Amino acid sequence: GAGVSQSPSNKVTEKGKDVELRCDPISGHTALYWYRQSLGQGLEFLIYFQGNSAPDKSGLPSDRFSAERTGGSVSTLTIQRTQQEDSAVYLCASSLARAGTVIVGEQYFGPGTRLTVT
Amino acid sequence: AQKVTQAQTEISVVEKEDVTLDCVYETRDTTYYLFWYKQPPSGELVFLIRRNSFDEQNEISGRYSWNFQKSTSSFNFTITASQVVDSAVYFCALSVGGGNQFYFGTGTSLTVIP
Repeated sequence: GAGVSQSPSNKVTEKGKDVELRCDPISGHTALYWYRQSLGQGLEFLIYFQGNSAPDKSGLPSDRFSAERTGGSVSTLTIQRTQQEDSAVYLCASSLARAGTVIVGEQYFGPGTRLTVT
Repeated sequence: AQKVTQAQTEISVVEKEDVTLDCVYETRDTTYYLFWYKQPPSGELVFLIRRNSFDEQNEISGRYSWNFQKSTSSFNFTITASQVVDSAVYFCALSVGGGNQFYFGTGTSLTVIP
């Protein structure tokens, strides 16, 4: 079946502009994660959606970052007034994990969106 | 607080050599999950294994094996008879409790030289 897809694959934007990054998770996956991977670094957790529950936004680095998930499926990560330090690869992952249970499923990652802020 | 440490930043081995990638984790939770992911040059992370905190049995899958030791809070990954296709960045990750967050290490870049 189809995996996690992300668009665009590459995005170059000028400092100060807003950008929207899209993630289409695997159908039926209830959990969706956004991560940021800077060059040579590990994955930095940004935000987590689980079903209809309130998202866990504890990883968002500033109020310029926001995300939504419509209909429990597609998610959009928005970065307002982009800064050069926002340049990174933004990864989306989905999972069958259910909050509040001991069953934690593995995450399936998309190919990422490489964001370059000039 | 949760933390995953992958002390080896880069490793190079010659093809057919065995190599072990280290992973040390920190958590006070008694229920947790450990993962390994592979990120090949193409960039997409691929799930390799999941282990829960109640199962300390080592696992072998082909040339891959994992050694989970709670006494040392380690979850090391060994590739036997390495191949060029094993060249990638490998990430160890930890998830605790309900699994809201995954804590990733900074990764180990493995290069297998033909």
